[in-house]
This record gives sequence, C-alpha cells and structure tokens, in this order.
Amino acid sequence: AQSVTQLDSHVSVSEGTPVLLRCNYSSSYSPSLFWYVQHPNKGLQLLLKYTSAATLVKGINGFEAEFKKSETSFHLTKPSAHMSDAAEYFCVVSDPTDSSYKLIFGSGTRLLVRP
Amino acid sequence: NAGVTQTPKFQVLKTGQSMTLQCAQDMNHEYMSWYRQDPGMGLRLIHYSVGAGITDQGEVPNGYNVSRSTTEDFPLRLLSAAPSQTSVYFCASSYAGGYNTEAFFGQGTRLTVV
Repeated sequence: AQSVTQLDSHVSVSEGTPVLLRCNYSSSYSPSLFWYVQHPNKGLQLLLKYTSAATLVKGINGFEAEFKKSETSFHLTKPSAHMSDAAEYFCVVSDPTDSSYKLIFGSGTRLLVRP
Repeated sequence: NAGVTQTPKFQVLKTGQSMTLQCAQDMNHEYMSWYRQDPGMGLRLIHYSVGAGITDQGEVPNGYNVSRSTTEDFPLRLLSAAPSQTSVYFCASSYAGGYNTEAFFGQGTRLTVV
C-alpha cells in the first residue's frame, strides 16, 4: 500500500531565508509524486509534479523538489521565502497503475513566514 | 475559464438533514472525485467516477452517495447528516489514467453539522 509522510506539521522561517519541507513516501511501484499548496480558505493548486525525466523538478513560484529513490524522499525547497508563501503544503503520491487514480495525501505542513 | 466549480461555499446543517454538494467542471475531464479535509489528516477520498454512469467508493464512503449522469457534473449527497461529517469538502477532476495526471480542485465547501 502506498503512503506518504510529511515530517513536519509546522515550519517557520524568516522572509528571505531558505525553505525546506520534507516528504517521504512508501510505494511498491514507481509512483507519481506531487506537491500541492493551499492558501487560507482556498482550493488546492499544483506546485510541481515528478516525471521520470529528471530527479530535480522545478515548479511555480521558485519552488523545487528533488526525487531521491534510494531515500524514498521528495522534499520541497525554495531558496528564499516570501510572505506570500505562507500556506499549507501537501505532498501527494499516486499509483499510476491504480484504476481508481486515488491521490494519497500527506497530513500537510503549514509554512509560516516571519517578516 | 471556470475550471472546477463547487457550490455552496458554506453550509450549516442540522443532524439528520440531507443535502447535495454540487460540483461542475468545464475541462471535459473523464475523472472526478470528492475528498474531505479534516485537520491533521490531509485529504481523504470519498467517492470517484471514471466517466459518466460509472462511480465507485473511495476510502471513506459511508454516509455519502454520488451519481454521474453527465461528464460535467458530479454531485455529492449527504443522506442523513451527522456531526462527524463536519469537514471541508473538495471536488477534483483530471484526465483519467496516465503517469503524473494533474488533478484540478474546486474552492471547497465548508460544512458544519450541528
């Protein structure tokens, strides 16, 4: 069975400093991996997704994630945090062979950005 | 472009009442789904549909009903609301199948059952 673990429920950074949001996954297959962001009282927006073409994935708003198969990790990073990055972030895994196309969500990491 | 539209945005129900959450998408996606979001638990799949006339249960289907008569619409029915169904509900759509298929989400419906 697939699962995803977000290692931090809350991360607090100062504006202008790097962001690291950690995600580990468990999958019997080569998974689909995503990061979604949810701003307060909003729906979810795709930040980036992993394709097998490259292990370093670039997303919107300066975010990146690196797929490390040996560590079963897909951590999200950004070199310099902005106040507008304050939101909840979800790491998501999906089994591309599952006919339900079910998305398995992590429990989320709330990012706080201090001025 | 509208994308995925959910109505209503907020709803308060009394225990035992029924209601329907509406979801519509204009992207001609085959796949539609309903999730509920509870604090500290991420999103969990309630029901999904891979096309008109085809629905199936997800992880937490009890107390909910769905139907898919058209490609565009996928309503979620609460048959007899319970306080445990207090949650935020999200509808999502995507192209069915394939690697790395992105899901598009609605704005959510915040439901309170008293």
